Order: sequence, then C-alpha cells, then structure tokens
Amino acid sequence: EAGVAQSPRYKIIEKRQSVAFWCNPISGHATLYWYQQILGQGPKLLIQFQNNGVVDDSQLPKDRFSAERLKGVDSTLKIQPAKLEDSAVYLCASSLNRDSRTYEQYFGPGTRLTVT
Amino acid sequence: LAKTTQPISMDSYEGQEVNITCSHNNIATNDYITWYQQFPSQGPRFIIQGYKTKVTNEVASLFIPADRKSSTLSLPRVSLSDTAVYYCLVGTRAGNQFYFGTGTSLTVIP
Repeated sequence: EAGVAQSPRYKIIEKRQSVAFWCNPISGHATLYWYQQILGQGPKLLIQFQNNGVVDDSQLPKDRFSAERLKGVDSTLKIQPAKLEDSAVYLCASSLNRDSRTYEQYFGPGTRLTVT
Repeated sequence: LAKTTQPISMDSYEGQEVNITCSHNNIATNDYITWYQQFPSQGPRFIIQGYKTKVTNEVASLFIPADRKSSTLSLPRVSLSDTAVYYCLVGTRAGNQFYFGTGTSLTVIP
C-alpha cells in the first residue's frame, strides 16, 4: 500500500513570497490533515478535511494560509505571503474515516520550508 | 482538548525496558489514549492506542490505570533504532486526537 505522498520535500523562499505544498493521501482515506511542525515542537494541526469539506481550520492563519481539497482526494496548502516564522516542516496525514474503529493517522514525509 | 504532560527526555541502555509515562488529568469519558513515534526527518508513526487496562501489540504495551489520568507506554528491550520522540495524545476515537505536545525524546545508548 502506497503511503501519503508530499511534494516538494524541501523549499526555500524569501519572505513575502508565496509557496504551495501538495499532498496525495492514501487511497480511500476520507480524512486529510495538514500540520505545522516547528523545530523542537510537536506537530500542530492547521486544518482537517473530511472528503472535500473543512471540518476544523481553527488554527489556520487565514490571512496568509489557505488550503483546498478538490474532489476529496489531493490537497494543496498555500502560504501567501510567507513570513520568517513560517519556517517549519509541513506534514500531511490521512486517516480512513473519522468513525473508523481504529483511529490512526498516516503521515507523509513532510515538506521542510525555510523562509529567509 | 485534554492536554498531556510527558517527560521532555529519557535515556536508556540497549536491551532494557523503557517506560514513558503520560499525565492526562482532564481526560474525558469518551477519550482514547494514542501514542505516536517520530524519527528525525519523518512524519509521526502510530504505535498503539487504548482506552483502559492494558493493550499490547508487536511493538509496545500500553498500561492505563483505573482512573485513566495517566498512561504508560512500555517498550521492551529497546535497541538503538528506538531512538525517537514519542508523543502521547488524548481524544475521542473518532476525532480530535490532534494535540501532540512536545513529546518525550528517547535516546538509546549502546
């Protein structure tokens, strides 16, 4: 079974530029998550999708971050404009279903963003 | 969301059993306890999940006392490859298990 795919793996941009990350979840997984992980901290949930609808985006800085999940499969996370404090690893995860018997998130390798 | 408290770091020698305790005083009736493992430059990986008493799988055991205000992840006979950060999460089985905290950094020493 293929895992969660993310691209790019690394990205370096200057502040005020824009950047986009792509995620392809495990086939059949209805729920998709984007996390931000700053060095030395645990992952912080940014947004959760159930199919193509947003379930929770309470911690997404909506003035600069946006995310979409068209057709309930792939997802993109965009930052525009980027700030220095956005430097982090952006992790995408998916799970089978919110009501599945075993709740388990499968994580991708992440995209390491450096804002200079 | 029920917050969790874990030791920041732990060291252990190879071959020993390691127990990592997580405190979750505000756990709710419907909450489950889940542990993830994260290696450098990788996303977290699910280890084990439980509700009460003891759960065991091929990787670890999870001990949960009757009051469920804490839980202990037990790793038998650790090896160098078990060096990682371990996160304890609390939330309902169907959702809201998203607070990772800072985790416990385990270093296995040869």
